[in-house]
Amino acid sequence: DSGVTQTPKHLITATGQRVTLRCSPRSGDLSVYWYQQSLDQGLQFLIQYYNGEERAKGNILERFSAQQFPDLHSELNLSSLELGDSALYFCASSARDRANYGYTFGSGTRLTVV
Amino acid sequence: DQQVKQNSPSLSVQEGRISILNCDYTNSMFDYFLWYKKYPAEGPTFLISISSIKDKNEDGRFTVFLNKSAKHLSLHIVPSQPGDSAVYFCAARDGANNLFFGTGTRLTVIP
Repeated sequence: DSGVTQTPKHLITATGQRVTLRCSPRSGDLSVYWYQQSLDQGLQFLIQYYNGEERAKGNILERFSAQQFPDLHSELNLSSLELGDSALYFCASSARDRANYGYTFGSGTRLTVV
Repeated sequence: DQQVKQNSPSLSVQEGRISILNCDYTNSMFDYFLWYKKYPAEGPTFLISISSIKDKNEDGRFTVFLNKSAKHLSLHIVPSQPGDSAVYFCAARDGANNLFFGTGTRLTVIP
């Protein structure tokens, strides 16, 4: 157990639907990062939050949004889902707002859009 | 555009031999480089990192080498063990604190 909890582990939904992925960071970590891993692709950075505020944005679609709550857990909202959104979505956290200390990743949510 | 590239999708090595995983990058502004290991059904796990001001960092059986002029880094595992079989991701950090990952190399260590 890495200390980063992601729920649900698996999600199957239809095109056009909306889903919410949840992440609880490791205790004490203020930064939360969301990544997408599609088939044969690397980890694509989506968005970062630090202590409740958006800190950095990557290749996140306008149909996707995220937020970090006062208790530091984060949610990634995916709407108007398309078949191509099927992927593994990872959340990671870190103790500082610097990546050289390494991220701690959760085990991911596998999203299947049918 | 993939700023971090791992051109070898897979690598097989005999137990006890050296494993060398390679990574190339295009952005000369990257200031930190990291390697992550990923087992099936688990998230990536931080393995080792190196600052851009160094050319080598060693941690037990794992050594990362950085060649800034060639924009190339490599991870050496010696001796390789069957438990090292996993997917290895190379990552690089830019000045805005974003981490860019490669597509991964699947290492298989044959007993």
